[in-house]
Amino acid sequence: ETGVTQSPTHLIKTRGQQVTLRCSSQSGHNTVSWYQQALGQGPQFIFQYYREEENGRGNFPPRFSGLQFPNYSSELNVNALELDDSALYLCASSLDPAGSYNEQFFGPGTRLTVL
Amino acid sequence: DAKTTQPPSMDCAEGRAANLPCNHSTISGNEYVYWYRQIHSQGPQYIIHGLKNNETNEMASLIITEDRKSSTLILPHATLRDTAVYYCIVRVAHGSSNTGKLIFGQGTTLQVKP
Repeated sequence: ETGVTQSPTHLIKTRGQQVTLRCSSQSGHNTVSWYQQALGQGPQFIFQYYREEENGRGNFPPRFSGLQFPNYSSELNVNALELDDSALYLCASSLDPAGSYNEQFFGPGTRLTVL
Repeated sequence: DAKTTQPPSMDCAEGRAANLPCNHSTISGNEYVYWYRQIHSQGPQYIIHGLKNNETNEMASLIITEDRKSSTLILPHATLRDTAVYYCIVRVAHGSSNTGKLIFGQGTTLQVKP
């Protein structure tokens, strides 16, 4: 059983550019959630995808968008990058969105730096 | 906003029990208490969760007060590798429109010392 993987590990972009981050969910999991973690803060929920549909969104602007593919892997896209987008981006997979035993398993994250 | 309150930092001697408190005085009847930890530069790791009964697994024990307004995570024999930020989270576990999203606060930074 493979765990959650993310790519790339690190990324440097300049303000105004666009970025795509990727996540492969744990085997058998159909739900992926994305979180943003600024330095020194706890992770903040961006959105969740369940069976290829968006299933909830946090307080993030529309320039943050995502996709989930039939194999349940996922992408996070951020357009018009701003300096404040510099953060660790985490994805977490789970078996179905909710349920008392559906704990979320996190990947190692992608460290995005916007200059 | 996070619905939990935790001390910002704690120290523990290696080999001793680490007791991490969490206050969740506004918890609802259908909300579970979850604990995650995050070792530096890694993704958060699930530890344990419970509703109202005490729970134990290979990593830790969770003690929830009878009124469910607070809980304590216990690492029975802390090691240096347990140094991490520990997050206490309350989460609704059921509901057709529920994302089960995790709302993280600042957590408690546990430093295990030799």
